[in-house]
Amino acid sequence: DIQMTQSPSSVSASVGDRVTITCRASHDISSWLAWYQQKPGKAPKLLISAASKLQRGVPSRFSGLGSGTDFTLTISGLQPEDFATYYCQQANSFPPLTFGGGTKVEIK
Amino acid sequence: QLQLQESGPGLVKPSETLSLTCTVSGGSITSTNYYWGWIRQPPGKGLEWIGSIFYTGTTYYNPSLKSRVTISVDTSRKQFSLKLTSVTAADTAVYYCARHVQNVVGHWFDPWGQGMLVTVSS
Repeated sequence: DIQMTQSPSSVSASVGDRVTITCRASHDISSWLAWYQQKPGKAPKLLISAASKLQRGVPSRFSGLGSGTDFTLTISGLQPEDFATYYCQQANSFPPLTFGGGTKVEIK
Repeated sequence: QLQLQESGPGLVKPSETLSLTCTVSGGSITSTNYYWGWIRQPPGKGLEWIGSIFYTGTTYYNPSLKSRVTISVDTSRKQFSLKLTSVTAADTAVYYCARHVQNVVGHWFDPWGQGMLVTVSS
């Protein structure tokens, strides 16, 4: 199985900050990576597919980059509604599909 | 707008079988572009893919759960179901159903159901 490692596991930031979350795959997954946002008590929401394709309705302050084994999710200009937990998911080796451990973005 | 809704018992006894159903509304379950998947999340922990099914009945399971999992589909009712046998406390989790998108650039889940907490306890 391909293991996905996210860092940091949590980050404290202020409104307006730029936040970058990293996801590393144990093997080359090309650009087969998705990012999700999960708020407390809610289901995950797809933000980005294919490493960098922003989903319809997702604010442009979210961006994804990377290929191979190293990927980033950047939030440029953190907004109050962005405080949540973010997960990456590899989509190259199937089955299984695997998720990273999550990164919690907290208010400083 | 496609919506998914999980249903089933919220409490299951150890060693018994967990059974959940996901009802799809606002769209077709027989689209050739999509699978239908189950994902779970233990309290306070991360996400684990359980398995996915195509409307024809073709299934894919997480090898870590494969011996205990069965996913089935009923296209006439626009439902797909999960059965997990011989449950233990470690199977306590929020269980989500989701549309599993598969194409040339990858696999992802969108949208998701609201989730259902299933507790394994006597």
